[in-house]
Amino acid sequence: GAVVSQHPSRVICKSGTSVKIECRSLDFQATTMFWYRQFPKKSLMLMATSNEGSKATYEQGVEKDKFLINHASLTLSTLTVTSAHPEDSSFYICSVRPDRSHEQYFGPGTRLTVT
Amino acid sequence: SQKIEQNSEALNIQEGKTATLTCNYTNYSPAYLQWYRQDPGRGPVFLLLIRENEKEKRKERLKVTFDTTLKQSLFHITASQPADSATYLCALDMDNAGNMLTFGGGTRLMVKP
Repeated sequence: GAVVSQHPSRVICKSGTSVKIECRSLDFQATTMFWYRQFPKKSLMLMATSNEGSKATYEQGVEKDKFLINHASLTLSTLTVTSAHPEDSSFYICSVRPDRSHEQYFGPGTRLTVT
Repeated sequence: SQKIEQNSEALNIQEGKTATLTCNYTNYSPAYLQWYRQDPGRGPVFLLLIRENEKEKRKERLKVTFDTTLKQSLFHITASQPADSATYLCALDMDNAGNMLTFGGGTRLMVKP
């Protein structure tokens, strides 16, 4: 399977600040990456699909101006949570899907806590 | 809208027994269904994919069935081990291309020695 890294693994920030999370595909070039959010004891919810060289596609109910996605290269996508609030505290996970595959390979996740 | 149900209560079984987890869905007929394992504080790990024309898929001690008439998938772990303890998620491939996975809530499996 594909190897995906995320950085940081854990971040605590103050309300009103912005936080950037990086997702890297380490062993293949990914034109598409996915960002999910998972609240405690809940399932993963797709937030957006990150497309290299073009705008991300956001799921219904996800504010694109709050969750900025930049897919600047074939191996890196970033998610910036702007003006974070305590309700944005969650586990953020990215994934990649190799071409000609249907399964996704996930990063280790980033635990965001907004105080 | 799509609804995916997994037995939300934790499943506790004895080491060596077979664990059976259920995934039921409504309002959609996916061509692919996937199962993932998630450990606490970690991202999900892909386990198995089964196609609508496959009744059963096996991988080592894992077996998945897919009944498109019942809209149900069963996930079996035979000869379970404490290391199998984790949350198992089923996911429907909503666009049949792997770009829109909808996950169930997961079932937590606890295998006791």
